[in-house]
Amino acid sequence: QKEVEQNSGPLSVPEGAIASLNCTYSDRGSQSFFWYRQYSGKSPELIMFIYSNGDKEDGRFTAQLNKASQYVSLLIRDSQPSDSATYLCAVNYPGTYKYIFGTGTRLKVLA
Amino acid sequence: DAGITQSPRHKVTETGTPVTLRCHQTENHRYMYWYRQDPGHGLRLIHYSYGVKDTDKGEVSDGYSVSRSKTEDFLLTLESATSSQTSVYFCAISELKEGQVEDTQYFGPGTRLTVL
Repeated sequence: QKEVEQNSGPLSVPEGAIASLNCTYSDRGSQSFFWYRQYSGKSPELIMFIYSNGDKEDGRFTAQLNKASQYVSLLIRDSQPSDSATYLCAVNYPGTYKYIFGTGTRLKVLA
Repeated sequence: DAGITQSPRHKVTETGTPVTLRCHQTENHRYMYWYRQDPGHGLRLIHYSYGVKDTDKGEVSDGYSVSRSKTEDFLLTLESATSSQTSVYFCAISELKEGQVEDTQYFGPGTRLTVL
């Protein structure tokens, strides 16, 4: 059973702080990793994707991938109340067009 | 915006009735997906399609069927709805965008289905 696991939270951080969201996955053959943000009552929207070990930065967001340890994380710098949402981690498995999603981590940024 | 629409956006129905949800896309994407999202379970794949008339099951396909008779439409049918199928249903497509080496999923706005 391929699995993607996330802490459900809520993760509460003060405005301006760094929020760190983590995700682990079970299949070592995984190649592609995605972070989605989902506001309450809305559909998931893509924030970041990462394929290679290391860090990938996009504005205030940094995705980190460590394939040896089978985890991927998302850092949000200078967190804003508007970042309060559920963050979903997703993994695509090689040779398929299927994606496995974690259950999401709810982030609350306190003003 | 991947040009995905879903209809209806909200539906309330009774146990035992058939229900069909429609996903429509305007950009000729080959791959389309149906997910359901429930508290504590996240997004779970119901069925997906890799072309016209080509579909396959996901992890929670029991009680659901799909059809894709043309590229732009992917239909999800609950033959006889049950209360356990009360959920939010999302359609998604896969798209390869500039700068990416793998397809990425983009989601429609969702359909909230309540089965009484």
